[in-house]
Amino acid sequence: NAGVTQTPKFRILKIGQSMTLQCTQDMNHNYMYWYRQDPGMGLKLIYYSVGAGITDKGEVPNGYNVSRSTTEDFPLRLELAAPSQTSVYFCASSYIGLGNSPLHFGNGTRLTVT
Amino acid sequence: KQEVTQIPAALSVPEGENLVLNCSFTDSAIYNLQWFRQDPGKGLTSLLLIQSSQREQTSGRLNASLDKSSGRSTLYIAASQPGDSATYLCAVSQGKLIFGQGTELSVKP
Repeated sequence: NAGVTQTPKFRILKIGQSMTLQCTQDMNHNYMYWYRQDPGMGLKLIYYSVGAGITDKGEVPNGYNVSRSTTEDFPLRLELAAPSQTSVYFCASSYIGLGNSPLHFGNGTRLTVT
Repeated sequence: KQEVTQIPAALSVPEGENLVLNCSFTDSAIYNLQWFRQDPGKGLTSLLLIQSSQREQTSGRLNASLDKSSGRSTLYIAASQPGDSATYLCAVSQGKLIFGQGTELSVKP
């Protein structure tokens, strides 16, 4: 099993550009999450999904969009990149929600917006 | 509002030492608490998950305890090794995971 795979690993965007961060998992997990991690801070939840076709906002959803058309994939879309979105983005999945089963994380996408 | 704090932010110990990492939280109404390890440039790896009804969990040289009433959890690492060097994060579950800022551990040979 590959687990949770994120692409790309690194990306530099100019202000106002858009991009999609890809995330796929092969563990047949229903729950998937997007977090951002800023230096010296804990992880903040952006969006999450409890299954295909169902998504919901987390703590910091502004400036982002998600979709969940399949169990395996959970892409994160940035429409108009801003410097405040410079961060490391992590996708994660779990078998059940509410933190009641271990989260499996991808290796992250380091995004810089200049 | 739940706040999760990990002190110290960084810790350096000699190899072989037993050590304790601390995690405190302000609201005791949690479902569970997880400890994670993060290596530089990598994602998080789940180490231990303690349900709210449990007092501790063990995995190899790691032992995590939970005291909900005092809002504290500790991660005990026995006989530390250089390979244990990483950032350790705790997270409490209240419908969503709320993370601490992490403790960066360095184990010197």
